[in-house]
Amino acid sequence: ETGVTQSPTHLIKTRGQQVTLRCSSQSGHNTVSWYQQALGQGPQFIFQYYREEENGRGNFPPRFSGLQFPNYSSELNVNALELDDSALYLCASRDVPGGDGYTFGSGTRLTVV
Amino acid sequence: GEDVEQSLFLSVREGDSSVINCTYTDSSSTYLYWYKQEPGAGLQLLTYIFSNMDMKQDQRLTVLLNKKDKHLSLRIADTQTGDSAIYFCAESMVDGKLIFGQGTELSVKP
Repeated sequence: ETGVTQSPTHLIKTRGQQVTLRCSSQSGHNTVSWYQQALGQGPQFIFQYYREEENGRGNFPPRFSGLQFPNYSSELNVNALELDDSALYLCASRDVPGGDGYTFGSGTRLTVV
Repeated sequence: GEDVEQSLFLSVREGDSSVINCTYTDSSSTYLYWYKQEPGAGLQLLTYIFSNMDMKQDQRLTVLLNKKDKHLSLRIADTQTGDSAIYFCAESMVDGKLIFGQGTELSVKP
């Protein structure tokens, strides 16, 4: 499978709820990263997984958690949603470090009301 | 610290060259990238440069890297209306994470 696919494309949740966002990485890509892009800002690194283990984390609280599965899919879970969690969430995958870099999905637009 | 800065807006006429600038603070970056984002879309990789290179040319795109000044630029030759978008500069750290600037909105007028 080529490309990175994210679901859903749009989501509306209520403050305090929990949400799970999904990503299907390109086949063979062992590293997946998640980014949060607030309106008018650049993407911010949330965390990174390599072969199902978290191996890097940005400045996000523990209520942001993730999973990576052997079939190149992954999840971003956010508990106790806050209004400031409203953003575009981007998944990116790669096979080897550097070079062509990451392939990004089109993102999930999360709105917390 | 890790910080990437870009000017927020650039407006050019169709057919002119566009130059988007970026400065970064962390000298341990391995690769530097330029991504393009159109409204409502994800990030499209335009080009990248290894941190020990000075220049890279790819069709209409030219990337210049001044490692001493930690300055990166993207030149788009013969800018077209379809180039209107937000352009992000990003540096890749040793652990693989990307640090992005806040983006430069390029407006191309006919």
